[in-house]
Parts: sequence; structure tokens; C-alpha cells
Amino acid sequence: GDSVTQMEGPVTLSEEAFLTINCTYTATGYPSLFWYVQYPGEGLQLLLKATKADDKGSNKGFEATYRKETTSFHLEKGSVQVSDSAVYFCALRGITGGGNKLTFGTGTQLKVEL
Amino acid sequence: DAGVIQSPRHEVTEMGQEVTLRCKPISGHDYLFWYRQTMMRGLELLIYFNNNVPIDDSGMPEDRFSAKMPNASFSTLKIQPSEPRDSAVYFCASSHSWGSNQPQHFGDGTRLSIL
Repeated sequence: GDSVTQMEGPVTLSEEAFLTINCTYTATGYPSLFWYVQYPGEGLQLLLKATKADDKGSNKGFEATYRKETTSFHLEKGSVQVSDSAVYFCALRGITGGGNKLTFGTGTQLKVEL
Repeated sequence: DAGVIQSPRHEVTEMGQEVTLRCKPISGHDYLFWYRQTMMRGLELLIYFNNNVPIDDSGMPEDRFSAKMPNASFSTLKIQPSEPRDSAVYFCASSHSWGSNQPQHFGDGTRLSIL
């Protein structure tokens, strides 16, 4: 079945540091890929998405490129801020369950310090 | 536009009581999902509906859990009787079915504590 593997957290960075959160996936066919962010006490919010190979999703300075050859969708940001502290979830939407279910990774907590 | 609305935001009740969680999806969305989030198990899909019909309830942990969607704008998740291990944050999400790239939109969740 479909699966998503994320790097373990927490990741602790200083403000303005470069961020990478690794995400790899296993799926049949050509899934759509997503990054969601969850701030404390809130639900998950869509951060960015990519729907086909080599697509780059971007939002709020975050980027991720759909790499089919390495089945990866790593999240990057050039300069993190304290306000980026949250839990980040990688997810895919494949053909399992008729293409309407999301498969989530376990989440990676990011802490950004001054 | 209003997002997914869940109520209550917090619920504290004693073991054995019935608990009902409510969700109003985004208007026009034809898929509705119920998730449970815990530290130990992460985010788990419990059940999802399409056009008010339950499609996959394989994630529902026990017969104590039930979910209904009587119309396109309302769904409930009920736990009866509740147990301390049901304590978690329960999220509702909705999406549009058009195209596989449609994301799910989440509510802010109900934080449930069973004493």
C-alpha cells in the first residue's frame, strides 16, 4: 500500500538557518504530493503541493520538488523564522481508496530559536 | 469563505459517557473525513464519506465509535461509551473530488479528554 516516510524530529534551528525536512514515499502510479503544517492548537493547513514529476510547489518561502526518480518530496526553506515553528506533515494522494484518501507521514516538529 | 467548522473545541467528560463531535464541511465539498491524532499513533483516518455515504470505515477502532452524515453540511462522530484511551484530538476535513490534486481542508479539531 501507499506509505510516506519523514525524518524524525524535533528539528531545532536558529533563526535564518536553512531548513530541509526529508520525505520519501511509496505509491502505485503517480500520486499527488502535499506538505501540511500544523501550528500549536490548530488543524493542519495545506502549505504546498505538486501533482506531477518535476513540479515544484512553493508557498511562504517554502519549496518542495516532486522527484519521481528518487520518490522524494523534500521540504526546504532558505531562511527560517521563529514563526515557522510547527509540525510539518508530508502526504500523498494516490489511487488507493479511489484516489480520495491522504496517506500522511508521522510529522516532523520544527523549533526555531532566536 | 468559512472553513471546516468543528464543535466543541474542547470536551472533558467522564468515562462511560456518550460523546458527540460535530463537523460542518466546506460548502460544495463532497468528501468528508474524520481523523484522530495522538502522540503515540500520530494522525489516523477513522472514516470518510462521499456524498454523505460512508465509503471506508476500516479505521474506526471499535463498535463504540460511530459516524453519520445526514446531509451535505453536517456530520457527527459519536463515542458510546467513552473510555480514557479515546482521549485525543479529533479532526474533520473535507475536500472536493474533482481531480486527484485537490487537498483536504481541516478544521481546528476537538480536543477530547476522557477522565
